[in-house]
Amino acid sequence: ETGVTQTPRHLVMGMTNKKSLKCEQHLGHNAMYWYKQSAKKPLELMFVYNFKEQTENNSVPSRFSPECPNSSHLFLHLHTLQPEDSALYLCASSQDREPSYGYTFGSGTRLTVV
Amino acid sequence: GQNIDQPTEMTATEGAIVQINCTYQTSGFNGLFWYQQHAGEAPTFLSYNVLDGLEEKGRFSSFLSRSKGYSYLLLKELQMKDSASYLCAVWDSNYQLIWGAGTKLIIKP
Repeated sequence: ETGVTQTPRHLVMGMTNKKSLKCEQHLGHNAMYWYKQSAKKPLELMFVYNFKEQTENNSVPSRFSPECPNSSHLFLHLHTLQPEDSALYLCASSQDREPSYGYTFGSGTRLTVV
Repeated sequence: GQNIDQPTEMTATEGAIVQINCTYQTSGFNGLFWYQQHAGEAPTFLSYNVLDGLEEKGRFSSFLSRSKGYSYLLLKELQMKDSASYLCAVWDSNYQLIWGAGTKLIIKP
């Protein structure tokens, strides 16, 4: 357990479904991130929140919608996904945006879109 | 464009030493990270280099040469539990974290 908890660990959804991924940290960190990890590809940064404010959206399709209700929780709402969206979605947190000790990652949600 | 290159896969023997290389071309440099990721688990922080030279931490060491755009992770006295993917990542001049695709390390008895 890293201190960053993601649920669910696995999710299978149809292209017309709506689901949400949840990330929770009680490390007192102020920055939280969503990453997409596909096989044999570099991690892709999707969204960044700093002090609950979204500071980055890396050209992510609107079928992915983030929400950060407080500094401990981060959600990724999913709707009308495509099969190519199947991947491991990782949440991470850090004390601030430029930590020399790196990010703390959750174990991820393995998403399969059918 | 910004790019980080590392081998896709490496194989080594238990008890041996292995060196995983990482070369980068980025717009500026503010530091380089190595992470370890076991299958199905979270990436975990291993090391951070911002100055040239070797940083040693137990069985793991990380080296950086900023002039060559090059780093390596050295793992000594390999154990079966070291089988994992090793991710190299660089902070560019805007503190954007640029990631490599990772090196899958397979340890054989």
